[in-house]
Amino acid sequence: DGGITQSPKYLFRKEGQNVTLSCEQNLNHDAMYWYRQDPGQGLRLIYYSQIVNDFQKGDIAEGYSVSREKKESFPLTVTSAQKNPTAFYLCASSNAGQLPNEQFFGPGTRLTVL
Amino acid sequence: AQSVTQLDSHVSVSEGTPVLLRCNYSSSYSPSLFWYVQHPNKGLQLLLKYTSAATLVKGINGFEAEFKKSETSFHLTKPSAHMSDAAEYFCVVSAQNYGGSQGNLIFGKGTKLSVKP
Repeated sequence: DGGITQSPKYLFRKEGQNVTLSCEQNLNHDAMYWYRQDPGQGLRLIYYSQIVNDFQKGDIAEGYSVSREKKESFPLTVTSAQKNPTAFYLCASSNAGQLPNEQFFGPGTRLTVL
Repeated sequence: AQSVTQLDSHVSVSEGTPVLLRCNYSSSYSPSLFWYVQHPNKGLQLLLKYTSAATLVKGINGFEAEFKKSETSFHLTKPSAHMSDAAEYFCVVSAQNYGGSQGNLIFGKGTKLSVKP
């Protein structure tokens, strides 16, 4: 059953802590993406990766970090430098270099800072 | 640069009546356009996509959208709303020749559709 999984579904963090959100895909896609969603703002791109061992900053990368050591995995770390991390985080994947770039989304992780 | 504007943040319809969700885009190139749907606390699901073939695009669950270049619009319609259509809908344009991020998606702010019984 192909798709994208994100874990955990809900995550609570104390201020000053780093947390890592997991994203795994078995679609054999080259490209993976992380988005942040806030009410009324649509989706904003945090980081993306078009190939293993390479990634690029998106529009709101400050306070976040990623790695892409395996094709199927693209974890996102929310660091203590992110001033307002409470949000819904969505991971997506697509076939890089193939247009149109239809992206497939995971179910999301809701992060709440206490 | 590409951009997309969803003209209504909220739309409310009665069950069985038509749905119209409006989207205008801006693009220097021939765009690829998408509509995605999101149910509460879920990921996004692709409804339909325009890729410069037919201007009238049919999607899942009875939705369709018409690409109108002269109006730079890509409005989403459905003849008869169902309670299960209540969700948030995103109009999306694919960035092209956008530096290193060719193919990245640019999202509208979303339209929340409510369906009254």
